[in-house]
Amino acid sequence: KAGVTQTPRYLIKTRGQQVTLSCSPISGHRSVSWYQQTPGQGLQFLFEYFSETQRNKGNFPGRFSGRQFSNSRSEMNVSTLELGDSALYLCASSLSGSHIYEQYFGPGTRLTVT
Amino acid sequence: GENVEQHPSTLSVQEGDSAVIKCTYSDSASNYFPWYKQELGKRPQLIIDIRSNVGEKKDQRIAVTLNKTAKHFSLHITETQPEDSAVYFCAAKGGGADGLTFGKGTHLIIQP
Repeated sequence: KAGVTQTPRYLIKTRGQQVTLSCSPISGHRSVSWYQQTPGQGLQFLFEYFSETQRNKGNFPGRFSGRQFSNSRSEMNVSTLELGDSALYLCASSLSGSHIYEQYFGPGTRLTVT
Repeated sequence: GENVEQHPSTLSVQEGDSAVIKCTYSDSASNYFPWYKQELGKRPQLIIDIRSNVGEKKDQRIAVTLNKTAKHFSLHITETQPEDSAVYFCAAKGGGADGLTFGKGTHLIIQP
Protein backbone atom coordinates (compact mmCIF):
# COMPACT_ATOMS: atom_id res chain seq x y z
CA LYS A 1 0.00 0.00 0.00
CA ALA A 2 1.20 3.48 -0.75
CA GLY A 3 1.84 5.64 2.28
CA VAL A 4 0.43 9.02 3.16
CA THR A 5 1.38 11.66 0.62
CA GLN A 6 1.43 15.43 0.92
CA THR A 7 1.75 18.17 -1.66
CA PRO A 8 3.52 20.41 -2.10
CA ARG A 9 6.60 19.43 -0.14
CA TYR A 10 7.94 22.98 0.10
CA LEU A 11 6.28 26.38 -0.05
CA ILE A 12 7.48 29.93 0.34
CA LYS A 13 4.81 32.56 0.94
CA THR A 14 4.67 36.20 1.94
CA ARG A 15 2.96 37.56 5.04
CA GLY A 16 -0.71 38.22 4.44
CA GLN A 17 -1.08 35.60 1.71
CA GLN A 18 -3.02 32.40 2.05
CA VAL A 19 -1.96 28.82 1.39
CA THR A 20 -3.60 25.45 0.77
CA LEU A 21 -1.90 22.16 1.59
CA SER A 22 -3.07 18.75 0.44
CA CYS A 23 -2.95 15.30 2.02
CA SER A 24 -3.84 11.92 0.53
CA PRO A 25 -4.29 9.21 3.17
CA ILE A 26 -3.42 5.55 2.97
CA SER A 27 -5.97 3.72 0.87
CA GLY A 28 -8.90 2.68 3.06
CA HIS A 29 -8.11 5.15 5.83
CA ARG A 30 -10.99 7.48 6.57
CA SER A 31 -9.51 9.74 9.23
CA VAL A 32 -7.01 12.51 8.53
CA SER A 33 -5.39 14.61 11.23
CA TRP A 34 -3.19 17.66 10.77
CA TYR A 35 -0.29 18.73 12.97
CA GLN A 36 2.08 21.67 13.04
CA GLN A 37 5.70 20.97 13.94
CA THR A 38 8.07 23.75 15.01
CA PRO A 39 11.36 23.65 16.94
CA GLY A 40 9.88 25.69 19.78
CA GLN A 41 6.42 24.19 20.21
CA GLY A 42 7.03 20.69 18.90
CA LEU A 43 4.15 18.74 17.38
CA GLN A 44 0.77 20.39 17.92
CA PHE A 45 -2.62 19.06 16.87
CA LEU A 46 -4.59 21.24 14.46
CA PHE A 47 -7.71 19.24 13.59
CA GLU A 48 -9.05 15.87 12.56
CA TYR A 49 -11.47 14.98 9.80
CA PHE A 50 -13.48 11.80 9.53
CA SER A 51 -16.08 11.08 6.85
CA GLU A 52 -15.87 14.66 5.57
CA THR A 53 -16.64 16.13 9.02
CA GLN A 54 -14.32 17.91 11.40
CA ARG A 55 -14.38 15.73 14.47
CA ASN A 56 -11.72 17.28 16.68
CA LYS A 57 -10.01 20.64 16.78
CA GLY A 58 -6.88 21.89 18.50
CA ASN A 59 -6.13 25.29 19.92
CA PHE A 60 -5.34 27.26 16.78
CA PRO A 61 -6.91 30.48 15.48
CA GLY A 62 -9.67 30.47 12.92
CA ARG A 63 -7.15 31.33 10.18
CA PHE A 64 -6.41 27.62 10.12
CA SER A 65 -9.14 25.61 8.48
CA GLY A 66 -9.53 22.36 6.65
CA ARG A 67 -11.83 20.07 4.81
CA GLN A 68 -12.10 16.49 3.68
CA PHE A 69 -13.44 15.14 0.43
CA SER A 70 -15.50 12.03 -0.22
CA ASN A 71 -12.35 10.10 -1.22
CA SER A 72 -10.85 10.96 2.21
CA ARG A 73 -8.27 13.34 0.76
CA SER A 74 -7.91 16.40 2.93
CA GLU A 75 -6.80 19.97 2.51
CA MET A 76 -5.85 22.56 5.08
CA ASN A 77 -5.89 26.29 4.47
CA VAL A 78 -4.09 29.04 6.31
CA SER A 79 -5.26 32.57 5.59
CA THR A 80 -3.53 35.88 6.32
CA LEU A 81 -0.18 34.20 6.87
CA GLU A 82 2.05 35.37 9.71
CA LEU A 83 5.78 34.83 10.17
CA GLY A 84 5.01 32.49 13.06
CA ASP A 85 3.15 30.15 10.72
CA SER A 86 6.48 28.97 9.30
CA ALA A 87 6.57 25.30 10.19
CA LEU A 88 6.44 21.73 8.97
CA TYR A 89 2.80 20.75 8.46
CA LEU A 90 2.19 17.04 8.84
CA CYS A 91 -0.90 15.08 8.13
CA ALA A 92 -1.56 11.63 9.50
CA SER A 93 -4.12 9.08 8.45
CA SER A 94 -5.78 6.34 10.45
CA LEU A 95 -8.10 3.52 9.64
CA SER A 96 -11.06 3.80 11.88
CA GLY A 97 -13.32 6.26 13.57
CA SER A 98 -12.55 4.75 16.96
CA HIS A 99 -11.03 6.79 19.77
CA ILE A 100 -8.10 4.39 19.79
CA TYR A 101 -6.27 4.37 16.50
CA GLU A 102 -2.83 4.17 14.92
CA GLN A 103 -1.81 7.22 12.96
CA TYR A 104 0.64 7.17 10.07
CA PHE A 105 2.32 10.39 9.03
CA GLY A 106 3.02 11.87 5.64
CA PRO A 107 6.36 13.49 4.76
CA GLY A 108 5.06 16.97 5.55
CA THR A 109 4.91 20.32 3.80
CA ARG A 110 7.62 22.77 4.81
CA LEU A 111 6.03 26.25 4.81
CA THR A 112 8.23 29.32 5.02
CA VAL A 113 6.57 32.71 5.48
CA THR A 114 8.69 35.76 4.66
CA GLY B 1 -6.77 19.27 27.87
CA GLU B 2 -4.03 16.68 27.98
CA ASN B 3 -0.45 17.64 28.87
CA VAL B 4 2.52 15.35 28.18
CA GLU B 5 5.98 15.83 29.71
CA GLN B 6 8.94 13.94 28.24
CA HIS B 7 12.44 13.39 29.73
CA PRO B 8 15.26 13.62 29.04
CA SER B 9 15.49 16.06 26.14
CA THR B 10 18.83 14.55 25.09
CA LEU B 11 20.13 11.07 25.83
CA SER B 12 23.55 9.80 24.84
CA VAL B 13 24.33 6.09 25.26
CA GLN B 14 27.10 3.76 24.16
CA GLU B 15 26.28 1.39 21.33
CA GLY B 16 25.00 -1.85 22.79
CA ASP B 17 23.70 -0.25 25.98
CA SER B 18 20.04 0.32 26.82
CA ALA B 19 18.12 3.59 26.56
CA VAL B 20 15.05 4.61 28.54
CA ILE B 21 12.81 7.59 27.77
CA LYS B 22 10.05 8.58 30.18
CA CYS B 23 6.79 10.45 29.75
CA THR B 24 4.05 11.58 32.10
CA TYR B 25 0.53 12.61 31.19
CA SER B 26 -2.15 14.57 32.97
CA ASP B 27 -5.51 13.28 31.72
CA SER B 28 -6.52 10.13 33.61
CA ALA B 29 -8.98 9.35 30.79
CA SER B 30 -6.17 8.98 28.25
CA ASN B 31 -6.33 5.56 26.67
CA TYR B 32 -3.75 5.33 23.89
CA PHE B 33 -0.01 5.97 24.05
CA PRO B 34 2.09 5.74 20.87
CA TRP B 35 5.80 6.34 20.38
CA TYR B 36 7.23 7.85 17.22
CA LYS B 37 10.77 7.97 15.87
CA GLN B 38 11.76 10.87 13.64
CA GLU B 39 15.05 10.91 11.78
CA LEU B 40 16.40 14.21 10.49
CA GLY B 41 14.34 15.47 7.57
CA LYS B 42 11.93 12.53 7.68
CA ARG B 43 8.39 11.91 8.81
CA PRO B 44 7.57 10.62 12.32
CA GLN B 45 7.38 6.85 12.20
CA LEU B 46 5.19 4.86 14.58
CA ILE B 47 7.43 2.34 16.33
CA ILE B 48 5.26 0.98 19.13
CA ASP B 49 2.08 1.83 21.00
CA ILE B 50 0.21 0.71 24.08
CA ARG B 51 -3.39 0.92 25.17
CA SER B 52 -4.65 1.65 28.66
CA ASN B 53 -5.74 -1.94 29.34
CA VAL B 54 -2.18 -3.25 28.91
CA GLY B 55 0.79 -2.73 31.22
CA GLU B 56 3.64 -3.70 28.92
CA LYS B 57 4.26 -4.41 25.24
CA LYS B 58 7.40 -5.60 23.54
CA ASP B 59 8.57 -5.73 19.93
CA GLN B 60 12.06 -7.15 19.47
CA ARG B 61 14.47 -4.61 21.03
CA ILE B 62 11.77 -2.10 21.88
CA ALA B 63 9.38 -2.21 24.81
CA VAL B 64 6.89 0.19 26.33
CA THR B 65 5.53 0.13 29.87
CA LEU B 66 2.49 1.94 31.21
CA ASN B 67 1.65 2.80 34.81
CA LYS B 68 -1.89 4.17 34.83
CA THR B 69 -1.90 4.90 38.55
CA ALA B 70 1.17 7.11 38.31
CA LYS B 71 0.18 8.34 34.83
CA HIS B 72 3.51 7.63 33.24
CA PHE B 73 4.82 5.47 30.42
CA SER B 74 8.31 4.65 29.22
CA LEU B 75 10.12 3.49 26.10
CA HIS B 76 12.94 0.99 26.52
CA ILE B 77 15.42 0.24 23.75
CA THR B 78 17.89 -2.57 24.38
CA GLU B 79 21.14 -3.36 22.56
CA THR B 80 21.15 0.07 20.91
CA GLN B 81 22.54 0.41 17.40
CA PRO B 82 23.71 3.43 15.37
CA GLU B 83 20.46 3.42 13.40
CA ASP B 84 18.54 4.05 16.63
CA SER B 85 19.89 7.61 16.64
CA ALA B 86 16.89 9.90 16.11
CA VAL B 87 14.36 12.05 17.95
CA TYR B 88 11.74 10.04 19.80
CA PHE B 89 8.32 11.44 20.66
CA CYS B 90 5.80 10.05 23.09
CA ALA B 91 2.14 10.96 22.74
CA ALA B 92 -1.17 10.44 24.50
CA LYS B 93 -4.74 10.38 23.27
CA GLY B 94 -6.87 12.13 25.85
CA GLY B 95 -10.45 11.43 26.78
CA GLY B 96 -11.73 14.63 25.18
CA ALA B 97 -12.20 15.69 21.60
CA ASP B 98 -8.50 16.23 20.93
CA GLY B 99 -5.97 14.57 18.72
CA LEU B 100 -2.69 13.20 19.96
CA THR B 101 -0.80 15.35 22.46
CA PHE B 102 2.95 14.98 21.98
CA GLY B 103 5.89 15.33 24.32
CA LYS B 104 8.68 17.69 23.30
CA GLY B 105 10.90 14.87 22.08
CA THR B 106 14.13 13.15 23.13
CA HIS B 107 17.21 13.33 20.95
CA LEU B 108 18.81 9.91 21.29
CA ILE B 109 22.48 9.75 20.36
CA ILE B 110 24.20 6.40 20.02
CA GLN B 111 27.95 6.70 20.60
CA PRO B 112 30.08 4.18 18.69
